[in-house]
Amino acid sequence: EVQLVESGGVVVQPGGSLRLSCAASGFTFDDYAMHWVRQAPGKGLEWVSLISWDGGSTYYADSVKGRFTISRDNSKNSLYLQMNSLRAEDTALYYCAKDIGGSGGDGFDYWGQGTLVTVSS
Amino acid sequence: SYVLTQPPSVSVAPGKTARITCGGNNIGSKSVHWYQQKPGQAPVLVIYYDSDRPSGIPERFSGSNSGNTATLTISRVEAGDEADYYCQVWDSSSDHPNWVFGGGTKLTVL
Repeated sequence: EVQLVESGGVVVQPGGSLRLSCAASGFTFDDYAMHWVRQAPGKGLEWVSLISWDGGSTYYADSVKGRFTISRDNSKNSLYLQMNSLRAEDTALYYCAKDIGGSGGDGFDYWGQGTLVTVSS
Repeated sequence: SYVLTQPPSVSVAPGKTARITCGGNNIGSKSVHWYQQKPGQAPVLVIYYDSDRPSGIPERFSGSNSGNTATLTISRVEAGDEADYYCQVWDSSSDHPNWVFGGGTKLTVL
């Protein structure tokens, strides 16, 4: 059974930093691209970032480019999101999601339950 | 950037057919994926590559994609289908790839 478990969400002040983690199990982690997707309270889904199966390719939404960094450790079946220079508009539930394929140009077939990031003073 | 347009809400009586549209410029040339999200829960993939169904998703869920409109069709709607539904595509047409979601459609079962 595929499981994705996010952690690391907390309340942080504007301008602060945070690192989210996602522990994956139930599939061959290093065969698949992985994503972060977020959802602001009461709003729709917004894609944040992708990392390819080997970490060789990464992409970011314009809204987070230059502030967020996605990474993975295939030896630990783990995905990460380093979030710097946080803003109030980054407040959201952050989901880890598995890509249907390996390169990333697809949809998301499994999602975690999310971890809540609140940016507030 | 690529934009996907969904109606904010769709209402349907139990047992009837619900159709949720997703509009985008020449969306028929892209692969469309659909997600169901119930309150307080993570999204669930219900249709991928326009019309394929993941294991465990009822046959009542189907998808089509042509021209400028993709459609999620739910036949014999049940109360448990009440949820938000999102369409999504991968857009590689700009200078960097982007995974785009529609704004979501709230399905209400009357």
